[in-house]
Amino acid sequence: RKEVEQDPGPFNVPEGATVAFNCTYSNSASQSFFWYRQDCRKEPKLLMSVYSSGNEDGRFTAQLNRASQYISLLIRDSKLSDSATYLCVVILNTGNQFYFGTGTSLTVIP
Amino acid sequence: ETGVTQSPTHLIKTRGQQVTLRCSSQSGHNTVSWYQQALGQGPQFIFQYYREEENGRGNFPPRFSGLQFPNYSSELNVNALELDDSALYLCASSLSLANTGELFFGEGSRLTVL
Repeated sequence: RKEVEQDPGPFNVPEGATVAFNCTYSNSASQSFFWYRQDCRKEPKLLMSVYSSGNEDGRFTAQLNRASQYISLLIRDSKLSDSATYLCVVILNTGNQFYFGTGTSLTVIP
Repeated sequence: ETGVTQSPTHLIKTRGQQVTLRCSSQSGHNTVSWYQQALGQGPQFIFQYYREEENGRGNFPPRFSGLQFPNYSSELNVNALELDDSALYLCASSLSLANTGELFFGEGSRLTVL
């Protein structure tokens, strides 16, 4: 079983839409959670960390549900520039290995 | 501050050959990790180096090996190449072992094995 599971999409949404991505993780020893963004043929970059209390950065909101082992990312008022692949990332409490999901592809359509 | 740089950016090899990929970490970063990203997949952890020593390894066979140098740059070596080794190889650096969650990736080396 994979450490991190994501719906690969693709998600095609119109500009201005709200879109949500979900991610589940299998290991209850997971301690840290993140969303990375990867543009086409580019390297992944950290988008935001995910905290149990939930956190927001502008149009982006991330949530963590430890009981269900579930992470989400909500994007409000989608922009064309949000088109990318969004990678869910988990780190176990054993330390140094980042487990990436397969990524969810988003295309925002004019 | 210079970012993570990798070389070569693209290369083509044949089955059974060996390849060396190189990475210069971001200035001030002493930890380097290598990832393999196959088409349509997320990056898969190969191994990590901290102060010239391997500090964790993913589920990759021994023909994947690495080095870290005193200046914290790193190499990934793959022997006896197989077709399935075709992928984007990403190097990421970070500041110490503190898992702040931010890995700084290079643009990758795209390997094609024929």
